[in-house]
Amino acid sequence: EVQLVESGGGLVQPGGSLKLSCAASGSTFSGSAMHWVRQASGKGLQWVGRISSKPKNYATVYAASVKGRFTISRDDSKNTAYLQMNSLKTEDTAVYYCSRGGTTVTTGGAFDIWGQGTMVTVS
Amino acid sequence: SYELTQPPSVSVSPGQTARITCSGDALANQYAFWYQQKPGQAPVMVIYKDNERPSGIPERISGSSSATTVTLTISGVQAEDEADYYCQSANSSGTYWVFGGGTKLTVL
Repeated sequence: EVQLVESGGGLVQPGGSLKLSCAASGSTFSGSAMHWVRQASGKGLQWVGRISSKPKNYATVYAASVKGRFTISRDDSKNTAYLQMNSLKTEDTAVYYCSRGGTTVTTGGAFDIWGQGTMVTVS
Repeated sequence: SYELTQPPSVSVSPGQTARITCSGDALANQYAFWYQQKPGQAPVMVIYKDNERPSGIPERISGSSSATTVTLTISGVQAEDEADYYCQSANSSGTYWVFGGGTKLTVL
């Protein structure tokens, strides 16, 4: 079964940068879209962005709140997705989860597998 | 921007049926998904494509859809069902994703 493990979280000052990683086990990583979702303490889930698979040209799309500051990338040879966060603000403080986007045919693109999350504190 | 609306909280006694609604204009033509999140844990998918249940999810958890509203139903609620539940879908053109605000299910 595919598992996702995030890393790279920590404390950063406002205006700073941080790069999160999401390492996947299993052979289905390269064929899957990968999403990033965040959750501030005591708050709900907020979709951050997505990177598609190679057949879809690694297309990226972002939530309005992070567009222009965050960049999602992936290295299929390492089964890893990344979230580069620049110009960080205090309101970006949250647990960041990566999640696999299931295939449209089977799950309709559901976020079917989630990592355990990594904490980012901007202060 | 597109939003999905859920009630903040639902409370039921053990053995009763809990229903959590989620409303959004694009739900008429976009799939809805439901996730369960317990304190300190990552979300878990419990319903996909409006009403499909992944393997390992109890049969007492079901989903339904009608026009711009989808509903998560938990029959015979058990203490272990106490959690936050989030609906999720895409905007009408499928270009970005949104989550509802979440519903805290309390088992009395």
